[in-house]
Amino acid sequence: GQNIDQPTEMTATEGAIVQINCTYQTSGFNGLFWYQQHAGEAPTFLSYNVLDGLEEKGRFSSFLSRSKGYSYLLLKELQMKDSASYLCAVRVQDYKLSFGAGTTVTVRA
Amino acid sequence: DTGVSQDPRHKITKRGQNVTFRCDPISEHNRLYWYRQTLGQGPEFLTYFQNEAQLEKSRLLSDRFSAERPKGSFSTLEIQRTEQGDSAMYLCASSLLAGVVEQFFGPGTRLTVL
Repeated sequence: GQNIDQPTEMTATEGAIVQINCTYQTSGFNGLFWYQQHAGEAPTFLSYNVLDGLEEKGRFSSFLSRSKGYSYLLLKELQMKDSASYLCAVRVQDYKLSFGAGTTVTVRA
Repeated sequence: DTGVSQDPRHKITKRGQNVTFRCDPISEHNRLYWYRQTLGQGPEFLTYFQNEAQLEKSRLLSDRFSAERPKGSFSTLEIQRTEQGDSAMYLCASSLLAGVVEQFFGPGTRLTVL
């Protein structure tokens, strides 16, 4: 089976930085994805890592260490609209995504 | 709008009834996926198509569930003899065949079984 762990909730202040950690133990690995999901809406793609290291995309960065089974998503200069659930997903074959339960981030003024 | 669309957005049904959902993927996408998401959880993989071929079904997909993609374009997911435990958001996603293979999700169909 697949085991993907991430914190349930995080709270941060507008303008601050938040780091969401994800650890995984899966039967295969073919890339790690982060998705953002606002309440009642579809998940939207944020980032993809397949090699170790940091991928930066504007205010969002994602890091991967395959040997440690670890990734994090870094959200900088937080805005109120960043309040959402953030889903860590491992692609275990060339098509199938296994998702964590998601981390609900609440941004406070 | 050229994104993934799903219909209906909401469905309320009584236990024991059959329901069918439709998904229209992004037009050039070969791959189509169905996921189920319950409150407070991430999406769980149900099944996937490459063109019209259904290549994998999760063990979560009991024999009451069937999915089709007859012409390699839109797909339907049918649930027969619905049970209260089937209440969930059913998400469809599509992707290209090669490359990063980012999956683009539709807005989902929220099913409530009374």
